[in-house]
This record gives sequence, structure tokens and C-alpha cells, in this order.
Amino acid sequence: EPEVTQTPSHQVTQMGQEVILRCVPISNHLYFYWYRQILGQKVEFLVSFYNNEISEKSEIFDDQFSVERPDGSNFTLKIRSTKLEDSAMYFCASSVSQGMNYGYTFGSGTRLTVV
Amino acid sequence: DQQVKQNSPSLSVQEGRISILNCDYTNSMFDYFLWYKKYPAEGPTFLISISSIKDKNEDGRFTVFLNKSAKHLSLHIVPSQPGDSAVYFCAASAIRGGFKTIFGAGTRLFVKA
Repeated sequence: EPEVTQTPSHQVTQMGQEVILRCVPISNHLYFYWYRQILGQKVEFLVSFYNNEISEKSEIFDDQFSVERPDGSNFTLKIRSTKLEDSAMYFCASSVSQGMNYGYTFGSGTRLTVV
Repeated sequence: DQQVKQNSPSLSVQEGRISILNCDYTNSMFDYFLWYKKYPAEGPTFLISISSIKDKNEDGRFTVFLNKSAKHLSLHIVPSQPGDSAVYFCAASAIRGGFKTIFGAGTRLFVKA
């Protein structure tokens, strides 16, 4: 069964530092997403990416966030200057099409702790 | 953003009985509704979806019902098994809303043996 792979599984960073969260989506998928879940809260949409550009982003995804697909296989989320409130579980997902018949395939997440 | 609401934070059911998880939404533009299951330390796993033009979709033990006039959907699990114990997220997407899916807050299901 194809998987979405996320690294690292845990990341601890100092407030104000830059972090890059990495994801390897399923190889034949064309649509890519980042979501986050603050402890005990709902899964929140951050950004979607298709055809090498951002398709949609939420209010959370401000100038401190960026995404990149640098080499056709990795999909990264960068937070330029982390804040305490960025502490959350970050999930990468991918889908083969925009259609919702089969949903997204999610990775296991990266737990980001900002101290 | 409260477009998708799951008002029951938890549900406890006896093994073999039916589990009914409920979800309400506010945006009439949603085209698809989905249910995901999530175990601790894992990402959400897609379970079943339904198009807004249908009122029922069934896949094995899982059935999703959609009532568009009430803006309500439910997931039925019959029979419930202890391995079904997880957090269940209702989600919705609109084709014209770009490529994103909005999730509810989740309902934690406990299936007792």
C-alpha cells in the first residue's frame, strides 16, 4: 500500500527559529496539502498545492509559511520564524485527483514543539 | 470556521451494536462529504465519501447517510468492533472552494468488548 512519508516524526525548535517539515507524497498523486492539529483541537487546513503552485491557503498560512516541491518528489512546509502557537501536529496529504471519491492519503505527521 | 460541526465529542457503544456518528454543516455549496478515522500517533485515514447528489453510500460495515435539507450527515457502523475505537472526523469540500477539505472537530468512538 503506497504511503505518504513525513520526516522528522518529532521536531523541537527554539522560538524564532526556522523549521522545514518534509513530506514525500505518493508518486502518482498530483494534489498536495498541509494540515495541522493543535493538541485537542480540530484538523485545520493550511494550504493546497497543484501544478507547482499554491491553489488555496487558509488565514493561518501567513507570510511566515511557505511550501515548495523542489525536486518532483519532496513537498516541504517551511515556517520562517516559529512562534509558541505553531506547536502542533503537522500532517501532509496527497490525492490523485481533485475528486473526493477517494479522499486524501495522509502521512503520520510531524509533531512540532516550539519552546 | 465552524462550517462542519460534530457536536458529540465522544460516543461509547457495545461490541456488535450499531455506532451512529453525526455531523452537521452550514455551507450549502459543499459537493462532497467524507469520513476519516484517526488512531493516536497516525494521520487520518479515509473511510467513505458521499457526493451531495446522493443520500446514501455503503461500503461493508460503513454507511453514510446525507440529508441535504437538514444539512446533516451520519456514519453508521454495523456491527461495531473494538478495532473501530478511534476518532472519527467528518469532512466536506466544495469544488469551487479550491482544493481543500474542511474537517469537523471529531468524535471519539469507544467500542466496548
